Amino acid sequence: QVQLVQSGAEVKKPGASVKVSCKTSGSTFIGYYVHWVRQAPGQGLEWVGWINPANGGTNYAQNFQGRVTMTRDSSHSTVYMELSRLTSDDTAVYYCARETVSGGTWYPFDYWGQGTLVSVSS
Amino acid sequence: DIQMTQSPSSLSASVGDRVTITCRASQGISNYLAWYQQKPGKVPKLLIYAASTLQSGVPSRFSGSGSGTDFTLTISSLQPEDVATYYCQKYNSAPWTFGQGTQVEIK
Repeated sequence: QVQLVQSGAEVKKPGASVKVSCKTSGSTFIGYYVHWVRQAPGQGLEWVGWINPANGGTNYAQNFQGRVTMTRDSSHSTVYMELSRLTSDDTAVYYCARETVSGGTWYPFDYWGQGTLVSVSS
Repeated sequence: DIQMTQSPSSLSASVGDRVTITCRASQGISNYLAWYQQKPGKVPKLLIYAASTLQSGVPSRFSGSGSGTDFTLTISSLQPEDVATYYCQKYNSAPWTFGQGTQVEIK
């Protein structure tokens, strides 16, 4: 049973940073990319970026370049997304999601974490 | 960047109705198109990938079609449990863009 389990809700002040974790279980940590997607209250889904847990490679959406950092701890099958210089516009639920990497083609997000609410308020 | 445009943004239909949602890509994406269902307060769920392949466990009343720039999600007979927002997503390259969503309600 594949599971992505995220860390709990966070409340931050403007200008602060937040670090959200996503622990995978039920499958090998290697062989997948882990993407991060956010959803502001009442809004749609916005892709933030991905990390390749095998080698730590990353690809960030242009909107988040310079503010987001994705890392991994292979020994604990956990990936992290850190977002800095938070503003109220960053208030959202942040999801991690898994993409299979195989055969040089692309796959959608078949498993998702439960989401982590990040609230930014003074 | 390739933009994904869904229509309509919302719809209301009766139980048993056939419902169609369209998604248009601003450039060709072959068949690298997925559809997700998000029920209120829940995590998005993969319904269809490769434009027309049903994800395991998804009811057969859901179907997808299209290639290139124009895609369609069809619910052949709308059920009360289908109340949700549906998103299309391109996944052939960065950025992995989603459509703005289509909210489906029961009339």
